[in-house]
Amino acid sequence: NAGVTQTPKFQVLKTGQSMTLQCAQDMNHNSMYWYRQDPGMGLRLIYYSASEGTTDKGEVPNGYNVSRLNKREFSLRLESAAPSQTSVYFCASSPGVFQETQYFGPGTRLLVL
Amino acid sequence: ELKVEQNPLFLSMQEGKNYTIYCNYSTTSDRLYWYRQDPGKSLESLFVLLSNGAVKQEGRLMASLDTKARLSTLHITAAVHDLSATYFCAVDFGNEKLTFGTGTRLTIIP
Repeated sequence: NAGVTQTPKFQVLKTGQSMTLQCAQDMNHNSMYWYRQDPGMGLRLIYYSASEGTTDKGEVPNGYNVSRLNKREFSLRLESAAPSQTSVYFCASSPGVFQETQYFGPGTRLLVL
Repeated sequence: ELKVEQNPLFLSMQEGKNYTIYCNYSTTSDRLYWYRQDPGKSLESLFVLLSNGAVKQEGRLMASLDTKARLSTLHITAAVHDLSATYFCAVDFGNEKLTFGTGTRLTIIP
């Protein structure tokens, strides 16, 4: 079992460029999440998907879109990157929504110039 | 406002000593999670505390939850170097998201 995988590991973008962060899990979990981690701010939830076919906004959704492609995959898209989106992005999954341990991917380090 | 506060934010301690990290939260919850993060790495689940008075132990780490005081503690016994990491608590306030504390960066000095 690979657990939760994320691609890419690192990315540098110019302001205004777009990109998609990919996340996949092989644990047959129903729920998946996208967080961003900034220094001194813990993790903040961007979007989540409680189950296949559903997505909901988290704490900081502006500037992002998500797609729950199937039960395994949950992608995060930046349509027009801004320097404020420079961060480390973590994908996580759990068997059910929020009330169980979340398993985190290795993270994507994004720098927007 | 739903808030989770950890203290201290930074902790440097000698091997062999005991210490406690505190996690306070702003409103009622009986679901709290502790995670560990090594530098440049992802988060690893340590403990899940799901009721008042819950206590979980793993090796030199012990976590407890007092829902009346809105407080969780992570106690480190006889610290060793490989416990150096950042520790996060996260609270489920029942609003369909976890709210994370800002983390406690723990450094164990030989």
